[in-house]
Amino acid sequence: SQKIEQNSEALNIQEGKTATLTCNYTNYSPAYLQWYRQDPGRGPVFLLLIRENEKEKRKERLKVTFDTTLKQSLFHITASQPADSATYLCALAPGYSSASKIIFGSGTRLSIRP
Amino acid sequence: EADIYQTPRYLVIGTGKKITLECSQTMGHDKMYWYQQDPGMELHLIHYSYGVNSTEKGDLSSESTVSRIRTEHFPLTLESARPSHTSQYLCASSYQTSGRAGEQFFGPGTRLTVL
Repeated sequence: SQKIEQNSEALNIQEGKTATLTCNYTNYSPAYLQWYRQDPGRGPVFLLLIRENEKEKRKERLKVTFDTTLKQSLFHITASQPADSATYLCALAPGYSSASKIIFGSGTRLSIRP
Repeated sequence: EADIYQTPRYLVIGTGKKITLECSQTMGHDKMYWYQQDPGMELHLIHYSYGVNSTEKGDLSSESTVSRIRTEHFPLTLESARPSHTSQYLCASSYQTSGRAGEQFFGPGTRLTVL
């Protein structure tokens, strides 16, 4: 069956360190993969998108990698800050067509301690 | 901040009542979605629309219905609310064209409690 798996355990990181979150998927060949941030009681906010032909994408302190052979994406936050504490969701799009839907993982809760 | 709105933000209602959750966006997006999310759990797609007069059921079976009479408006209706409908409902929208890459803009959500 098709599924997306993210770190089920919460991740606790010391401020200033790099946080690395993992997203693994099975039985998909996604056209692209997205990462979202979700704060408690609020809707997700889009952060980054990476396409199947891209290995790495950066935006400020964020970096995403995409390995279609391993069927895995890694999401890095460098120089982490307490304000980065949130749940981070991985989502993938099965195809480029306008009919494609986004499938979300269950998310990883990240806590950055001062 | 995304221009997508949901009302009400919180709703507590008794079993058997009919409810409508409102969702509006001012970005001119063709695609709109409704997700259901329980605390600490993943988002489940329950309905989506590609444009006016287009609606489809999502991956999670839901007793709710939706309509899309105007581009900017995508209300969700429960004819007879039950305690099992208690959840957070999130509305989202995105551009239609694949070149825009499909990032979704979410509303703040409606937290529904059915007693």
